[in-house]
Amino acid sequence: DAKTTQPPSMDCAEGRAANLPCNHSTISGNEYVYWYRQIHSQGPQYIIHGLKNNETNEMASLIITEDRKSSTLILPHATLRDTAVYYCIVRLSNFGNEKLTFGTGTRLTIIP
Amino acid sequence: DAGVTQSPTHLIKTRGQHVTLRCSPISGHKSVSWYQQVLGQGPQFIFQYYEKEERGRGNFPDRFSARQFPNYSSELNVNALLLGDSALYLCASSVTTMKGYGYTFGSGTRLTVV
Repeated sequence: DAKTTQPPSMDCAEGRAANLPCNHSTISGNEYVYWYRQIHSQGPQYIIHGLKNNETNEMASLIITEDRKSSTLILPHATLRDTAVYYCIVRLSNFGNEKLTFGTGTRLTIIP
Repeated sequence: DAGVTQSPTHLIKTRGQHVTLRCSPISGHKSVSWYQQVLGQGPQFIFQYYEKEERGRGNFPDRFSARQFPNYSSELNVNALLLGDSALYLCASSVTTMKGYGYTFGSGTRLTVV
């Protein structure tokens, strides 16, 4: 699986959009970009994933650059409950390979 | 619908002992994976099982083993515990969706080795 690079920490004001960047310059054509977050001492929570196109769900939006070498997770209206460690992961989504390779992630702090 | 269930939630063991951690996947999920998360780090992949067969193994010593049962539940076993095995052990179950894998983690078992 391709390696990802994320800033170690970020702050965001409550109510503002939180934009979390991720670099994955060695991503291959059939690797998906996944985002998870982990609130203190809980299991990681799935947020969103995509291959080429931008994606949006009830939690967030995922913007993937045209060359697929980087992506941005957007939390449109951050709340205090969004304070967590956010992990960007790239992986093959083929049968039998379900390993997720976590880095150290970005610690996002939402400031009141 | 119940999520991924792990037991126990917390556990304290002594060095050299053996431990068994249990995981019940989401109903309909046939794949279970195990991860170890040491304090301050991201989760590290240990094993993946699908239909009772091992499909993946991370870089962990042979003291770590696992199995999956006909009902798709799973056990992670660790022998000869070391202080360094103290960690949050996470189980995830998954199922194939139209857009890839739906992957759900449990809340984990916090193992402390003293």
